[in-house]
Parts: sequence; structure tokens; C-alpha cells
Amino acid sequence: QLQLQESGPGLVKPAETLSLTCTVSGGSITNWGWIRQPPGKGLEWIGSIYNSGSTYYKPSLKSRVTISLDTSKNHFSLRLSSVTAADTAVYYCARHTPEPTSDAFDIWGQGTVVTVSS
Amino acid sequence: QLVLTQSPSASASLGASVKLTCTLSSGHSSYAIAWHQQQPEKGPRYLMKLNSDGSHSKGDGIPDRFSGSSSGAERYLTISSLQSEDEAAYYCQTWDTGIQVFGGGTKLTVL
Repeated sequence: QLQLQESGPGLVKPAETLSLTCTVSGGSITNWGWIRQPPGKGLEWIGSIYNSGSTYYKPSLKSRVTISLDTSKNHFSLRLSSVTAADTAVYYCARHTPEPTSDAFDIWGQGTVVTVSS
Repeated sequence: QLVLTQSPSASASLGASVKLTCTLSSGHSSYAIAWHQQQPEKGPRYLMKLNSDGSHSKGDGIPDRFSGSSSGAERYLTISSLQSEDEAAYYCQTWDTGIQVFGGGTKLTVL
């Protein structure tokens, strides 16, 4: 059964870069996304990456986000630059439904808390 | 602009049924959506993908008590025989050419 596990620093300083990795076990790399949830708020899509190499980012975050894929290591990563307190959230990785549709998120990681603070 | 609208809260009694609504923005009434459940202090769980014609495909292990339906720009999630563990936030999600959108979520209270 495919499982996802987020990992990375739980504390990031303002103006620095947040870096997270999502490790995929029990399955192969296909199409993936990052979603976050600020404390007490709803889900916010950050971006997605497809095995074809295509990436899509939320327009308001696009200038600060990079998502990359490492098929040899079965993981994908998120980098968010110039962070502020507003980027404090639980960060989730998730799988898009398998091809050919590859649209909804059908498998989620358990999430990792990232706090932006000096 | 593609937007999903959900009521912030809903409530229903134990053992009863409840119907949650997710509304697609104007011009997007043909779009499919997905429903996700987030129990307190847990990550989201995929419930189903729901098409504009009401057909839906559920995730692995999702009970028959969860069903979906559609009418125009409205997408519904019906939960029957409510149980205490159904108390959760429910989010809808849709997509368009690679861009993903979530609704604001509905917090369901089971009385």
C-alpha cells in the first residue's frame, strides 16, 4: 500500500527558505502535490509536479515555490523561499489519482508542522 | 475564476443523515470535484471523486454511508446513519489545467 511521509525542519527563520521532502513507499513516483493548512484554517494548494516534468503552482506563491522530483530516490521536494510568519502551517504531500485522469488527491501524507519564527 | 463555496458549519444528530453542499463558481457547472474528510488533529482523507452527472468513485475503504450527488453547479456529500467519528471538517476540491482549488471547508458537528 502506497504511503507518503513528509520530512524537514520544523522551525524556519523569517526570510529563509523552507525545504521539505516527501518520501514515497510502496509504490512508484507518478504525479504529486503539496498542500498546506495554517493553524485553524482550511486547505491551501501550493503546487503540483507531474512525472512528465510539468509543474503547476498557485499563482500567488509562484514566485517563491519550487517543486522537484527525484525518481531514483522515490521522493519529491518543496522549496518555499523568503518565508514569513504567514507561511506557518501544517504541510501535506499528496498523490494525484493515477493516470489518465491524475486530478484529485487520493492519498495524503500525515503532515508536518512548520513554524516560521526567529 | 474557479471558486468553490462551502457553508462553514453544519450539524446533525447521531444516526441521522446530513447533506453537505459545495458550489462551483459561475461558468464551471460541468466540473468534477473531490470530497475529503479531515477528522480533528488528523490529515485529510480522500472520500470520493464526484462528476457533474452524479456518478462517483469512492476511495478505498470508504463506507457505503458516504455518497455523492450533483445538481447544476452544486455538488453534494450525503452521510447517512451518522456516527460520532463523522464529526470532522469536509473539504471539496476541483481542478482546471493543472491548477487545484479547495473550498473553505464545512465543519460537521454530530449532536
